[in-house]
Amino acid sequence: EAGVTQFPSHSVIEKGQTVTLRCDPISGHDNLYWYRRVMGKEIKFLLHFVKESKQDESGMPNNRFLAERTGGTYSTLKVQPAELEDSGVYFCASSAQGDTEAFFGQGTRLTVV
Amino acid sequence: AQSVTQLDSQVPVFEEAPVELRCNYSSSVSVYLFWYVQYPNQGLQLLLKYLSGSTLVKGINGFEAEFNKSQTSFHLRKPSVHISDTAEYFCAGVLVRGGADGLTFGKGTHLIIQP
Repeated sequence: EAGVTQFPSHSVIEKGQTVTLRCDPISGHDNLYWYRRVMGKEIKFLLHFVKESKQDESGMPNNRFLAERTGGTYSTLKVQPAELEDSGVYFCASSAQGDTEAFFGQGTRLTVV
Repeated sequence: AQSVTQLDSQVPVFEEAPVELRCNYSSSVSVYLFWYVQYPNQGLQLLLKYLSGSTLVKGINGFEAEFNKSQTSFHLRKPSVHISDTAEYFCAGVLVRGGADGLTFGKGTHLIIQP
């Protein structure tokens, strides 16, 4: 069974550009989470989907970030326009309904220059 | 959890020696606690978790952790480490309540195994 996959693994973009990160959760997992780790800091929660609905987006830093999960399958996280402080590793995780264990993807390393 | 603290940013230890990675949490309500490991160029992998019941939990790769409510700690231990244990270790928590909330992570501890 495939795990959580994220694309791309690395992205380098210029300040002001747009980037879209994609996450494919484990098939059948209703819960999907986005996290971010800025260099030297802890991994921080961004938002939580249950199927296609946003359950909790309290961690989203500002309105330059837009997450979607159309159809309740894969999810995208768009940053528009990107700023230097958006650099970091973006992790996606998924879990089955009622399960406490979240499975993580390898992350997307975003560098804004 | 409302906050999770890992005071040690890195822990050097000799191969085959025991190791303890410290984790403390802060919460006014019950929490679930987890330890994740990130090997170089890989994603986070669950080592073990405490939900309820026995306070000593055993995980993969010979690791174990003990939940101590009075000290609000969940330290990770291994009696004898190997070079392959070199990785970054994250303690994380979530409040026990309906739903599957996002995790609160500590800053991570680099475990450095010296031959």
